[in-house]
Amino acid sequence: EAAVTQSPRNKVTVTGGNVTLSCRQTNSHNYMYWYRQDTGHGLRLIHYSYGAGNLQIGDVPDGYKATRTTQEDFFLLLELASPSQTSLYFCASSDGTDYAEQFFGPGTRLTVL
Amino acid sequence: GDSVTQTEGLVTLTKGLPVMLNCTYQTTYSPFLFWYVQHLNEAPKLLLKSSTDNKRTEHQGFYATLHKSSSSFHLQKSSVQLSDSALYFCALRDQGGRALIFGTGTTVSVSP
Repeated sequence: EAAVTQSPRNKVTVTGGNVTLSCRQTNSHNYMYWYRQDTGHGLRLIHYSYGAGNLQIGDVPDGYKATRTTQEDFFLLLELASPSQTSLYFCASSDGTDYAEQFFGPGTRLTVL
Repeated sequence: GDSVTQTEGLVTLTKGLPVMLNCTYQTTYSPFLFWYVQHLNEAPKLLLKSSTDNKRTEHQGFYATLHKSSSSFHLQKSSVQLSDSALYFCALRDQGGRALIFGTGTTVSVSP
């Protein structure tokens, strides 16, 4: 089965802090995604990428940067964290075909105080 | 723009009863629809998917039929089990064809 891992699993930071969330997939998938999950909003796409060095803007990109360094690794950066970014963050990967399943990592719970 | 609507936030029912979760979508292109299930403290996982009009698709006792005429993809099960308690998301492939647009989700709570 597809494998997507995320680190850290839990993170607490203060307002204005710097946070990097990491995601690695070993599926040889071209596409990787970052979502945030909030009650009442479902899963919302922040950024995604179709290969190393590529970045596509999602639906809720404000306050977030992302970088895809290799096919396996995709990072989400919060350079000036705010309490509104307290959320559960999921990374996912897929092969990018029309009907492709997205495989999700276990999630990172981020709290910004 | 493209969107997915799930009208029920919470569905509570007793084991053995049938359930239907509503999903409607809006798009101007040929739709690909998905249902994902997320159990407590777990990641979302694909439950079933479809792009074929009026064809029932089934998996793990759940089934859904894509109806393009009504832009719907409702999820059903004939007899729910305690293990079906979870958060269910309907999702639509976006116009670019590479990302998903998720609905807000429906929590199903099954009691003994």
